[in-house]
Amino acid sequence: GQQLNQSPQSMFIQEGEDVSMNCTSSSIFNTWLWYKQEPGEGPVLLIALYKAGELTSNGRLTAQFGITRKDSFLNISASIPSDVGIYFCAGPGQGGSEKLVFGKGTKLTVNP
Amino acid sequence: GAGVSQSPSNKVTEKGKDVELRCDPISGHTALYWYRQSLGQGLEFLIYFQGNSAPDKSGLPSDRFSAERTGGSVSTLTIQRTQQEDSAVYLCASSLFGASYEQYFGPGTRLTVT
Repeated sequence: GQQLNQSPQSMFIQEGEDVSMNCTSSSIFNTWLWYKQEPGEGPVLLIALYKAGELTSNGRLTAQFGITRKDSFLNISASIPSDVGIYFCAGPGQGGSEKLVFGKGTKLTVNP
Repeated sequence: GAGVSQSPSNKVTEKGKDVELRCDPISGHTALYWYRQSLGQGLEFLIYFQGNSAPDKSGLPSDRFSAERTGGSVSTLTIQRTQQEDSAVYLCASSLFGASYEQYFGPGTRLTVT
């Protein structure tokens, strides 16, 4: 079945540093989404990407839809303590359903 | 506006009991989804509703799991004869028709089966 592989699994950074994480798949995706989940909460949609090569920003966050359609990247600039959480990539499931498949997440810790 | 709400936020039940989990989607969202998240894992799709119909229930792990949606709004996920492996966070999401991949999640129900 479809699998999304996220790396790294976890990151420990200092406040103010830039962060980069990625998501890869063995199959082609036509949509990529990035979510953030904080403890005890549901995932929050950060960025949605719909076109290969697309680069989209949301504040200090920038995400890119890889031109091969098999990967996507999320960058966070000038990290702050509230960036702490787990970042998930997601894409449409197979079979024409509206379901999403998710990666296992990248856990980000920001040291003040 | 109000987001997706779920109740209860936490549920502890004994093995073998039935449980019902409730989801109130964002007003006007026609699509509703249930996912399950086990500890340290990503989200696993369970079932999808468009209106009151469930075109995709392929993720339900066994016939002990069922879900319904009434009035195109509230949905209930029922787990019968709960097992310890059912322990997880159950997340509900909703979306607008035509923007189905942009799904908005509730806070989840943490289910613990003892």
